[in-house]
Amino acid sequence: QVQLQESGPVMVKPSETLSLTCGVSGDSISSNHWWNWVRQTPGKGLEWIGEAHHSGTVNYNPSLKSRVTISLDKSNNQFSLKLTSMTAADTAVYYCARSTVTIVYFDSWGQGTRVTVSS
Amino acid sequence: EIVLTQSPGTLSLSPGERATLSCRASHSVGINYFSWYQQKPGQAPRPLIYATSTRATGIPERFSGSGSGTDFTLTISRVEPEDFAVYYCQQYGLSYTFGQGTKLEIK
Repeated sequence: QVQLQESGPVMVKPSETLSLTCGVSGDSISSNHWWNWVRQTPGKGLEWIGEAHHSGTVNYNPSLKSRVTISLDKSNNQFSLKLTSMTAADTAVYYCARSTVTIVYFDSWGQGTRVTVSS
Repeated sequence: EIVLTQSPGTLSLSPGERATLSCRASHSVGINYFSWYQQKPGQAPRPLIYATSTRATGIPERFSGSGSGTDFTLTISRVEPEDFAVYYCQQYGLSYTFGQGTKLEIK
């Protein structure tokens, strides 16, 4: 079955850009699925960040849209998240997840990676 | 944005009892776009129910989902020790949103 694994820094400084990667095995990034990022904080709970499809379509949470970029790397079968202008409010556990096109839910999740914003 | 409100915040039950978890949406949600997840400490959310009432792969029959419009319910017919966790509802409209969670704890 599909497995997802997040990688990236555990800490970033305020105002910096967070870059995370999600490696995918057991499925192709070019399959008919959406590739998502979701984060979880004690204060706001689970928050969807955005999604990308191999067709080139991307969708972002309106509240984060100005700071987010999600892209697919087909050659390495992985996808990435870039979140600019990080603040303490962005401290969270970041998950990558797969969702289906027809049945709209997150059917597979990575284990999550904790990112702290601190100087 | 559709806001999901879960109740109760905490549910205290003994193993073998029936659990009823509720999720109310601020606007109507299509039945194909409503899901439930279970999360245990230190783990990612695990899909339980999708399309309102369909159990995800490997989910026991004691878990069931129902509802329509703005009111949805997750029922655990007889709670097992491994079911004590936090449960989240989730919807997809123009964007995905999650409820704040219901913690199912041992009484």
